[in-house]
Amino acid sequence: DTGVSQDPRHKITKRGQNVTFRCDPISEHNRLYWYRQTLGQGPEFLTYFQNEAQLEKSRLLSDRFSAERPKGSFSTLEIQRTEQGDSAMYLCASSGQFFGPGTRLTVL
Amino acid sequence: AQSVTQPDIHITVSEGASLELRCNYSYGATPYLFWYVQSPGQGLQLLLKYFSGDTLVQGIKGFEAEFKRSQSSFNLRKPSVHWSDAAEYFCAVGVRNTGNQFYFGTGTSLTVIP
Repeated sequence: DTGVSQDPRHKITKRGQNVTFRCDPISEHNRLYWYRQTLGQGPEFLTYFQNEAQLEKSRLLSDRFSAERPKGSFSTLEIQRTEQGDSAMYLCASSGQFFGPGTRLTVL
Repeated sequence: AQSVTQPDIHITVSEGASLELRCNYSYGATPYLFWYVQSPGQGLQLLLKYFSGDTLVQGIKGFEAEFKRSQSSFNLRKPSVHWSDAAEYFCAVGVRNTGNQFYFGTGTSLTVIP
């Protein structure tokens, strides 16, 4: 257990629906990262926060994706109008190197 | 651009045998280097990391890795593999000047046979 929690662990949704994931990092860490991992691949960087400020976003993060970190504590990642290609494991990392268990998204 | 190459997609070893997983990176400066292990459906567990100093790094579960600047490599080793080591292993490079985001290799799947 790294001390990073993610909720839910699994999400099944229909194409076109919106989904939201939550990450609770280690409390004293001010940097929080989101990654996406598809089957057979390593994780790919999506975005990161320093406290509440979103400082960098990957080109993988289309307009349908939005991330927030209000008050610099937990973070949420929302995907609007989900597509089948969004099916993946979404991982959160605290201070860069401590990863949560991930949220597995399946879009039907 | 930064990149990480893990040349071996899949490796099979006998229990008790030694193990070496290869990792090569492309980066203009000395990066932060990491090895993670991932069991099916699980998150990533940090095995070890290199920031600076001694180029031979000890990690958890009996793993070690050696940073070789001349070869741009950071290979993971274990002298005697246990059946519980079967998993996916990822090498990652942390880029110092872009918020420390990580670049991951595509992973090496390890099978351990009795």
